[in-house]
Amino acid sequence: KAGVTQTPRYLIKTRGQQVTLSCSPISGHRSVSWYQQTPGQGLQFLFEYFSETQRNKGNFPGRFSGRQFSNSRSEMNVSTLELGDSALYLCASSSQTGINTEAFFGQGTRLTVV
Amino acid sequence: DQQVKQNSPSLSVQEGRISILNCDYTNSMFDYFLWYKKYPAEGPTFLISISSIKDKNEDGRFTVFLNKSAKHLSLHIVPSQPGDSAVYFCAASRLQGGKLIFGQGTELSVKP
Repeated sequence: KAGVTQTPRYLIKTRGQQVTLSCSPISGHRSVSWYQQTPGQGLQFLFEYFSETQRNKGNFPGRFSGRQFSNSRSEMNVSTLELGDSALYLCASSSQTGINTEAFFGQGTRLTVV
Repeated sequence: DQQVKQNSPSLSVQEGRISILNCDYTNSMFDYFLWYKKYPAEGPTFLISISSIKDKNEDGRFTVFLNKSAKHLSLHIVPSQPGDSAVYFCAASRLQGGKLIFGQGTELSVKP
């Protein structure tokens, strides 16, 4: 079974631009979550999508948005990029059935804002 | 407000000995806890989990202990191996949600 796939792996953008990151979950998984990892803040929850609906949301500004498609693939968009948005963005998928809610992570997208 | 805390940023252990990583949480609504291992430039890898109805879960060299009254969990690795050197994150969630709250991580170094 293929794991969680994130594209692209690396990205360099300039301040003010926008960026879209993509995540393909494990086949059969309907929940996709996004996290931001920075050296100072650790892993911070951005949002979770389940069956194309945003089910949970973290404490990030409205510049951060996402969506999920009918095939469970998800995209995350960041508009008006700031230097502080430089981070490793991680996507995780889980089946969300029964009590086993382990999330499986992709390798992440390293975003650098210059 | 840090709901999940790992107070030790680093831990150094000799190969073959036991590694004990600790995690505290403040939100009594959490009922599912997980440990992840992370290498640089990679995504976290799931290690082991425990639900609040248990106080211990074991998987090979890894054992997680949960003390609900103290809101504390720990990960024991025995025997420790150099390949275990990585950053370990504990995370907490509610069973019905996909939102994981992570601790800040503990960097484990296992020396030969």
